[in-house]
Amino acid sequence: NAGVTQTPKFRILKIGQSMTLQCAQDMNHNYMYWYRQDPGMGLKLIYYSVGAGITDKGEVPNGYNVSRSTTEDFPLRLELAAPSQTSVYFCASSNTGITNEKLFFGSGTQLSVL
Amino acid sequence: DQQVKQNSPSLSVQEGRISILNCDYTNSMFDYFLWYKKYPAEGPTFLISISSIKDKNEDGRFTVFLNKSAKHLSLHIVPSQPGDSAVYFCAASERYSGGGADGLTFGKGTHLIIQP
Repeated sequence: NAGVTQTPKFRILKIGQSMTLQCAQDMNHNYMYWYRQDPGMGLKLIYYSVGAGITDKGEVPNGYNVSRSTTEDFPLRLELAAPSQTSVYFCASSNTGITNEKLFFGSGTQLSVL
Repeated sequence: DQQVKQNSPSLSVQEGRISILNCDYTNSMFDYFLWYKKYPAEGPTFLISISSIKDKNEDGRFTVFLNKSAKHLSLHIVPSQPGDSAVYFCAASERYSGGGADGLTFGKGTHLIIQP
């Protein structure tokens, strides 16, 4: 029972490079989310998706792109990486997306942009 | 402007005693609150939640209290165990049309350390 799987766990990028953070869930959840957590800060929502083919911006979407071609996968794309994108990235999913429903998180990707 | 505040970055408690983690909020439209627990190198996991129509919710050793007039909630852990050492995040949600987890606002977290 894998839940939410994120790859890679760690990555170092040079300024200007691009990369894709992978996220997959096997719970058949409709809703998926990308958060970032900066040191000493709470989680900030980057993008979310309410189902395959539908994505929307969260609180901090600049510098990122997402796609949702299948229910299972929700990759996060960083174009032209900047030091401000150094953070820990968490993918999460939920079944219905209603207010009181708990989120299931992946174990995170620690990204450093140097 | 932080709408959900956890003013204690860390808290140290002796094993067996009560741990009390506090969370304050400023948005009076928040009506659902959740606590998540996070171990190092892992993602957060859901712990307990409370709706604004209640003032208390209990689940085993964990109890969350909500004081709406003070815009304050607290998580009580009794008795505290070594495995409770983790970072605890308070999160709040505002009920609005189409509201869901995309509307969650997280606090910065409190690092709870349980000492033997």
